[in-house]
Amino acid sequence: SAVISQKPSRDICQRGTSLTIQCQVDSQVTMMFWYRQQPGQSLTLIATANQGSEATYESGFVIDKFPISRPNLTFSTLTVSNMSPEDSSIYLCSVEELAGGFGTDTQYFGPGTRLTVL
Amino acid sequence: DAKTTQPPSMDCAEGRAANLPCNHSTISGNEYVYWYRQIHSQGPQYIIHGLKNNETNEMASLIITEDRKSSTLILPHATLRDTAVYYCIVCYGGATNKLIFGTGTLLAVQP
Repeated sequence: SAVISQKPSRDICQRGTSLTIQCQVDSQVTMMFWYRQQPGQSLTLIATANQGSEATYESGFVIDKFPISRPNLTFSTLTVSNMSPEDSSIYLCSVEELAGGFGTDTQYFGPGTRLTVL
Repeated sequence: DAKTTQPPSMDCAEGRAANLPCNHSTISGNEYVYWYRQIHSQGPQYIIHGLKNNETNEMASLIITEDRKSSTLILPHATLRDTAVYYCIVCYGGATNKLIFGTGTLLAVQP
């Protein structure tokens, strides 16, 4: 399976600032996704990062708050803008690895970025 | 909303088989059943997936009922390192592969 890394692994930020999280994968992938996991909660999909076009956001998430870049097939960034304590979460990227031939595609997750906003 | 129902927690003795149930009564004909686990706030780890046939890999076995309305993930010999939250997810394969996570089952493997 693809090897996925995220930077930073954790950060503590002041309210009103922005943080950009990087996701790097060791092979070219078509689909990349960004998720949020609030404390004690399950994962929620933020958006699908499309290479060469704008990201597709899920209901409740907007581009102004979570701008996403996808400059190539191995890299994506998620920015958390104008942060407030409610943005304290783990942010995870995932990639979809194509099955090829028979079978279906599978998503693999990065290790996550733990963000605390004071 | 998640399309699956799982018990919130289960215990299992170390070395015994862990059987984790999942109900997905509204699953459609071309939706797959995926299982992931998350160990203490790490990124979710893919375990296994299937469509209608039972599946087995080096980590686990997946048993899907004939009507596909429920499934069971089996960890044949649970270890302490298998303590995690296990998520059962149904979704379409391919480019529309959006994973909708429910609350999962917290499996606690006891020594």
